[in-house]
Amino acid sequence: GEDVEQSLFLSVREGDSSVINCTYTDSSSTYLYWYKQEPGAGLQLLTYIFSNMDMKQDQRLTVLLNKKDKHLSLRIADTQTGDSAIYFCAEGLNDYKLSFGAGTTVTVRA
Amino acid sequence: GAGVSQTPSNKVTEKGKYVELRCDPISGHTALYWYRQSLGQGPEFLIYFQGTGAADDSGLPNDRFFAVRPEGSVSTLKIQRTERGDSAVYLCASSLEPGNTEAFFGQGTRLTVV
Repeated sequence: GEDVEQSLFLSVREGDSSVINCTYTDSSSTYLYWYKQEPGAGLQLLTYIFSNMDMKQDQRLTVLLNKKDKHLSLRIADTQTGDSAIYFCAEGLNDYKLSFGAGTTVTVRA
Repeated sequence: GAGVSQTPSNKVTEKGKYVELRCDPISGHTALYWYRQSLGQGPEFLIYFQGTGAADDSGLPNDRFFAVRPEGSVSTLKIQRTERGDSAVYLCASSLEPGNTEAFFGQGTRLTVV
């Protein structure tokens, strides 16, 4: 299957951590991705994780992968107003084709 | 160029008309991808080029959609007899070699069919 699901909205206070969750269906996906989309801007690759890893940390970003449950999460530490955007989870169906979720709109409030 | 460039940034057309959307990939990138993003949805794969050839066009919704990349650089997505349901943001991405981890996306063309 090629369904990627994620919650639609997340509101977080500035300085708190944000956690965005995602489930996917294709157990053969080699890589899983998180993209960020700001208004009027293109998709920006934030980070990705290889399917044989459980966790990847990159500065304020932490990705957790539970392959058994096909669950992926993105944690943003010390969330800032500049983190307000739509975040997309995606699974790599092969080398060139991505299947995206519908996106989670993150709103950071002061 | 510095990044993937898509033109026009916005296009409004009447139902039934023909449109062309252009993508200029990053110089030297051999792989090129088109996606379509409808309002409130994530991008959906349309077509993938490796060099001049369409290696996978399985995402094109029907035969009104066609894409070319004659010289292995610039690509044009062509839509015939446009319908209101074609309204979306069309995104292009490119990478040096096939590989999603290295793909850079353009800002997209917002197509509105009225």
